[in-house]
Amino acid sequence: QSALAQPASVSGSPGQSITISCTGTNNDIGAYNYVSWFQQHPGKAPKLIIYDVNHRPSGVSDRFSGSKSGNTASLTISGLQAEDEADYYCSSYTSSRTVLFGGGTKLTVL
Amino acid sequence: QVQLVESGGGLVKPGGSLRLSCAASGFRFKDHYMSWIRQAPGKGLEWVSYIGSSGSRSTMYYADSVKGRFTISRDNAKESLYLQMNSLRAEDTALYYCAREEQQGAFDIWGQGTMVTVSS
Repeated sequence: QSALAQPASVSGSPGQSITISCTGTNNDIGAYNYVSWFQQHPGKAPKLIIYDVNHRPSGVSDRFSGSKSGNTASLTISGLQAEDEADYYCSSYTSSRTVLFGGGTKLTVL
Repeated sequence: QVQLVESGGGLVKPGGSLRLSCAASGFRFKDHYMSWIRQAPGKGLEWVSYIGSSGSRSTMYYADSVKGRFTISRDNAKESLYLQMNSLRAEDTALYYCAREEQQGAFDIWGQGTMVTVSS
């Protein structure tokens, strides 16, 4: 069970948009529309920001959006704000009925 | 309010055992799948195990890294989730979170975590 592949870091300036990719296989991301994204600030528990590829939980800003193409899912954050600086993790349900996380991406707001 | 509170972490020697607990409140615990997820110091998230709402053995799943050593269980009457960890290894050192699974992989409620350190 290898982790889903995410870039180690991304950065952007306030107001810009950034996209974080999450690459899996035909047995996870490619098999189901059960991709989620989590935001984690230092010392805090993760927070669900996207589920089922492109659905936002109540209370999550519409600046966060998700998509999927084949075995790769993406998280886009538009109108970057200083408070968006955090670690971001993707996850996917798998054909083994387990859950895989990505290695995490550190977002720096310049 | 909706809350998950983990307990039971601590320092244990390699080969030892520990039982983690997670107390739920503010929602219908018996209606939800529940998971354990861990995070080693300075590292990413790793899903450990989940259990179906009824707690039947057929709805218990584990990551390969803990299969055969960890056992997940729940008591719906007590609104509690458990993780029995045996044959602990140094690589099991992590902050262990319990999380509510709203649907496959969508962990919408998290506890604050309980730290497990495996060291001689």
